[in-house]
Amino acid sequence: QSVLTQPPSASGTPGQRVTISCSGSSSNIGSNTVNWYQQLPGTAPKLLIYSYNQRPSGVPDRFSGSKSGTSASLAISGLQSEDEADYYCAAWDDSLNEVFGGGTKLTVL
Amino acid sequence: EVQLVESGGGLVQPGGSLRLSCAASGFTVSSNYISWVRQAPGKGLEWVSVIYSGDSTYYAESVKGRFTISRDNSKNTVYLQMNTLRAEDTAVYYCARTLAGHITVPGPYYYYMDVWGKGTTVTVSS
Repeated sequence: QSVLTQPPSASGTPGQRVTISCSGSSSNIGSNTVNWYQQLPGTAPKLLIYSYNQRPSGVPDRFSGSKSGTSASLAISGLQSEDEADYYCAAWDDSLNEVFGGGTKLTVL
Repeated sequence: EVQLVESGGGLVQPGGSLRLSCAASGFTVSSNYISWVRQAPGKGLEWVSVIYSGDSTYYAESVKGRFTISRDNSKNTVYLQMNTLRAEDTAVYYCARTLAGHITVPGPYYYYMDVWGKGTTVTVSS
């Protein structure tokens, strides 16, 4: 049972815009910043979005993040086949530990 | 090039011990934070522990009292000593360089892992 709640799956067709939600509480998303990680099949996670909506160098601007209250969202526009991966949200919790969502498997149809 | 390489994984019996290593290159662990994150087979990511540059350490409740994170600055390496291992500790263990702090005080705390190793596999089974 993950502290942050994500839908287990999402899908879209090439070129489409998809969003993935992440729900938390006042002790994590509500009071601290949110990050998103992308994990391609068989590889280590990769930082995709940090501090709500910042992209590390090399991450396309098709990826964007937002937060409202105790929820956050990851949006992917212009969906591409190489975006097929697992996506995890994460945030620091005031109980002094990092918490993750259960992950969303994105399928590009 | 900034890189992390984990090692030390393997097969261990329940109740046994294992020490994982996380060797850094391209930056110094003494002035950075390093986290350990694990992923059980077919499951999601679970944060395990972090060591801050000032030697503060934090642990997930599931490993508190059994795992110890430490650092050897001369080897530029962070370790995760795992004792009293259980079947549920079976996972791929990743180490990651971590950035953390307050944007403003008071204010939100940021904590994110920007460089990850490829992971090392720990299997706890008799």
